[in-house]
Amino acid sequence: QKEVEQNSGPLSVPEGAIASLNCTYSDRVSQSFFWYRQYSGKSPELIMSIYSNGDKEDGRFTAQLNKASQYVSLLIRDSQPSDSATYLCAVFPSGTYKYIFGTGTRLKVLA
Amino acid sequence: KAGVTQTPRYLIKTRGQQVTLSCSPISGHRSVSWYQQTPGQGLQFLFEYFSETQRNKGNFPGRFSGRQFSNSRSEMNVSTLELGDSALYLCASRGGGQGNYGYTFGSGTRLTVV
Repeated sequence: QKEVEQNSGPLSVPEGAIASLNCTYSDRVSQSFFWYRQYSGKSPELIMSIYSNGDKEDGRFTAQLNKASQYVSLLIRDSQPSDSATYLCAVFPSGTYKYIFGTGTRLKVLA
Repeated sequence: KAGVTQTPRYLIKTRGQQVTLSCSPISGHRSVSWYQQTPGQGLQFLFEYFSETQRNKGNFPGRFSGRQFSNSRSEMNVSTLELGDSALYLCASRGGGQGNYGYTFGSGTRLTVV
């Protein structure tokens, strides 16, 4: 079993819709969770971090964390074509000083 | 505020050669990490440095090494290059307490081994 799993996609949504991206992880000790966006040919860009169970909202983005079920999700409201990118889920297990990344979900927002 | 700076942006090397990549973190950031990104394996952790000490190392052969200087700048070295080392090498820096802040990535160095 991979440590961090994401559906590779592509996930296609129409402009204005809600895009829902999911991530599951295997390490129960993990405390910190991050979502990165990576445009083709560019480096990853941090868009959300979440440390506690529940929801965290930042603009059009909402991160959701459920430690009991070991999943993290990212909702993008009012999706725009500029949101088309690969979204990487990263888990930061305590005491390891490293991210474990999922392989990413490619999102396509159709105009 | 300047971001994470990686040099060079592109490199073409021949099998068997060695290469050194450089990373200047965001000012004040003392934690620097390196990752390798390939289409097949995604982002794989290489190593992390804090105050010139390597705190963790990924599952890469000994040909991959790194170091951090007193000004937090970091270098990674790959010796005896193999075709499979062709990848995007990303450096990232972080400030703050353990796990409480996300890493900021540089633009990367794209290494091609021929």
